Amino acid sequence: KAGVTQTPRYLIKTRGQQVTLSCSPISGHRSVSWYQQTPGQGLQFLFEYFSETQRNKGNFPGRFSGRQFSNSRSEMNVSTLELGDSALYLCASSVGDRNEKLFFGSGTQLSVL
Amino acid sequence: EDQVTQSPEALRLQEGESSSLNCSYTVSGLRGLFWYRQDPGKGPEFLFTLYSAGEEKEKERLKATLTKKESFLHITAPKPEDSATYLCAVQEKGGSYIPTFGRGTSLIVHP
Repeated sequence: KAGVTQTPRYLIKTRGQQVTLSCSPISGHRSVSWYQQTPGQGLQFLFEYFSETQRNKGNFPGRFSGRQFSNSRSEMNVSTLELGDSALYLCASSVGDRNEKLFFGSGTQLSVL
Repeated sequence: EDQVTQSPEALRLQEGESSSLNCSYTVSGLRGLFWYRQDPGKGPEFLFTLYSAGEEKEKERLKATLTKKESFLHITAPKPEDSATYLCAVQEKGGSYIPTFGRGTSLIVHP
């Protein structure tokens, strides 16, 4: 069974640009969550989607948005990039809606110059 | 105040030198506590879920235990391949099912 796939693996952008990251969950998993990981803050929750609906949202500005498609694939978008957005963005999927066992992708490493 | 605090931040061990990692939490009611392992350049990998005080789970050289205020991840006779960052996360009763993660303990095991 294929794991969680995130693309692209690396991204370099400049301030003010926007970026879209993609996540394909494990087949059959309906819940997709996004996390931002930085050395200083650790893993910070961005948002969670279940059956195409955003169920939970973390404490991030409106520049961060996401969506989930009918095949459970998910995208997140960051507009007007800032230097502080440089981070590893991780996607995780789970079978049900209780997130008791998350399966993470390898992440997208975003660098904002 | 962080809901989940892990200590130490970093730990260096010699191969075969057993030790424990700590995860303390301050949520009012615990729904579940989770341990993950993260290797450099990869996403976290699930290890254990613990639900109630007194519960223990084991996998190879790892054993996780839970009390009412903290969890320990015991590593017995570690090998260099156990080197990784170990993350702890909690779900609070009555809250959403979104786990809150600690900042992790970076473990290096020298041969």
